Amino acid sequence: AQSVTQPDIHITVSEGASLELRCNYSYGATPYLFWYVQSPGQGLQLLLKYFSGDTLVQGIKGFEAEFKRSQSSFNLRKPSVHWSDAAEYFCAVALNAGNNRKLIWGLGTSLAVNP
Amino acid sequence: DGGITQSPKYLFRKEGQNVTLSCEQNLNHDAMYWYRQDPGQGLRLIYYSQIVNDFQKGDIAEGYSVSREKKESFPLTVTSAQKNPTAFYLCASSPGTKGAEAFFGQGTRLTVV
Repeated sequence: AQSVTQPDIHITVSEGASLELRCNYSYGATPYLFWYVQSPGQGLQLLLKYFSGDTLVQGIKGFEAEFKRSQSSFNLRKPSVHWSDAAEYFCAVALNAGNNRKLIWGLGTSLAVNP
Repeated sequence: DGGITQSPKYLFRKEGQNVTLSCEQNLNHDAMYWYRQDPGQGLRLIYYSQIVNDFQKGDIAEGYSVSREKKESFPLTVTSAQKNPTAFYLCASSPGTKGAEAFFGQGTRLTVV
């Protein structure tokens, strides 16, 4: 069955430090991969997505992610974290089976940023 | 501005009452989704619809109902059969094409007392 795993439930980093959030997926076909961010009490905002082509994708707010097929991973990175990056981050895979179009979600990683 | 509007943002209801959450989109998207979010459980799919007048159950449909009479609207009713309805509910829409991302509303926090 298709699944998405975010191994880290909670991460704390210092402001200005680099960040990497992990995402592993289990999906037999070509994956369509997404990272979303959610601030408390808000909806989700798309950070970036990967469909094909260059395996390093750039997103909004200075985030990037690298797709590694051999590792079934799509890790999110940021070189220097800002206090405003504190939020919940979700990785997702698009399920495309016939007419069935929906996203499979990881459980999320909560990011705290120390000043 | 194009987007998804969920209303109300906060909703309080007494136990045993049905309640309907509104979701409207002006993005001309074919697909719409309802998710429930509880702490530590990520997003769980309640119902989704890929075209007007058609919808499918998601992973946790029991105690919920939906309708899709118009492309723009996908209301969710939380019925008295839902055992633990207090949660944060998110509506999303998507063009419905292969691999398309979802766009989210701001959510409705439902509290049943």
